[in-house]
Amino acid sequence: NAGVMQNPRHLVRRRGQEARLRCSPMKGHSHVYWYRQLPEEGLKFMVYLQKENIIDESGMPKERFSAEFPKEGPSILRIQQVVRGDSAAYFCASSLGQAEAFFGQGTRLTVV
Amino acid sequence: GENVEQHPSTLSVQEGDSAVIKCTYSDSASNYFPWYKQELGKRPQLIIDIRSNVGEKKDQRIAVTLNKTAKHFSLHITETQPEDSAVYFCAAGAGGTSYGKLTFGQGTILTVHP
Repeated sequence: NAGVMQNPRHLVRRRGQEARLRCSPMKGHSHVYWYRQLPEEGLKFMVYLQKENIIDESGMPKERFSAEFPKEGPSILRIQQVVRGDSAAYFCASSLGQAEAFFGQGTRLTVV
Repeated sequence: GENVEQHPSTLSVQEGDSAVIKCTYSDSASNYFPWYKQELGKRPQLIIDIRSNVGEKKDQRIAVTLNKTAKHFSLHITETQPEDSAVYFCAAGAGGTSYGKLTFGQGTILTVHP
C-alpha cells in the first residue's frame, strides 16, 4: 500500500508564476489536509478537503491560494502569482477520517 | 482557536538517557494528541498518539502522558539512541471525523550524542 504521494518533490517558480502541487492520498483515504512549513518552524494547517468538497479552509490565505480534491485524481493546491514569501515546504496528509493522518514527503517550493 | 506551546525548543542528551518533551494546549475541546518525528528534509512521521479518554500510552521506548485538567501532555523517550535524533512535534486536534486537522507545536530538536 503506497503512502501519501506528493509531486513534484521540488518546484522552482519565478515571482508571478503559478505553482500547482499534487497530492494522492493513501488508498481508501478520502480526507486530505494541506499544511505549510516555513524553515525551522512547525506545520500550519491550511485546508481540509473530502472528495469534491472543501470542509475547512480556515488556514488558507484569502488571496492567490486555492485547493481542490476532485472526484477523480489527486488533490491540487494552487498558488497563483507566487511571491518570495510563498517559499516553503507544503505537506499533504490523508486519513480515513476518524483515524490518524499520514503525511506525504512534501513539495519544497522555491520562489526566485 | 487552538494554541499549542512546546518546550524545550532544543534538547541534547547522551545515548541511553531519557528525553522528555512537554506541550500545553488551550482549547478544552481538543481530544486527540499525536506526536510526529521529522528527520531533516523528510516527512513528519506519526510515532504515537493519545486520545482524551486515556491518561497514558506506551509503545516500547516511547510513552505519552495526558493531563486534560491541566491541558498538558508529554512525550517520554527512554534509552535514547542516536537514531532518535530528529525534530519532534506535538499536536492537538478535535478528533471526531477530522483527525488530520491539527495545531502543531513549534518543535523540539532532539540530539542524542553517542
